[in-house]
Amino acid sequence: DADVTQTPRNRITKTGKRIMLECSQTKGHDRMYWYRQDPGLGLRLIYYSFDVKDINKGEISDGYSVSRQAQAKFSLSLESAIPNQTALYFCATSAAGAHHEQFFGPGTRLTVL
Amino acid sequence: TQLLEQSPQFLSIQEGENLTVYCNSSSVFSSLQWYRQEPGEGPVLLVTVVTGGEVKKLKRLTFQFGDARKDSSLHITAAQPGDTGLYLCAGEDDYKLSFGAGTTVTVRA
Repeated sequence: DADVTQTPRNRITKTGKRIMLECSQTKGHDRMYWYRQDPGLGLRLIYYSFDVKDINKGEISDGYSVSRQAQAKFSLSLESAIPNQTALYFCATSAAGAHHEQFFGPGTRLTVL
Repeated sequence: TQLLEQSPQFLSIQEGENLTVYCNSSSVFSSLQWYRQEPGEGPVLLVTVVTGGEVKKLKRLTFQFGDARKDSSLHITAAQPGDTGLYLCAGEDDYKLSFGAGTTVTVRA
């Protein structure tokens, strides 16, 4: 079984709809991250959480919110989706401390019409 | 504005040739990580370099961290079709990563 799972894998929605992307991990890591990937822009950090009671904004948090329901679960919400939020979204986890590898999920391809 | 600039953006070479990907920044990082991503999958770590001037070799891949810890390079010797993918560098600062835009490498058989 995959260590980091994301649901759904693909989603098409309409402008103005609320949508939630979910991430679960079995690695026992404290730290979890949400990124979006756009062609030519690489991965950009949306939100991150260093433990269950910790939530921090990343580089591009406007239009997004997150919830850390448990050590293993971190969800990303778009309250009112807009077309420029069409992208590939990745969840990642890492152990606490410096220089640790980030483990990525398989991604969610989101299309907002 | 990208914190880390990767070059080239695209690279297409014949099997057996060598290639180098560059990752440059004006910022100092506590470490530099290289990831490789294949279509439909998330990035996977190749290497982490921590010390300025550090060189790490993984089979045909050689990674170097600049002396000032602002830049890095990835060199692949005798590239194979299995090396095809998107290569991403990421600088670590305050326990977070900033990614470059990536270099798409295609190795033709």
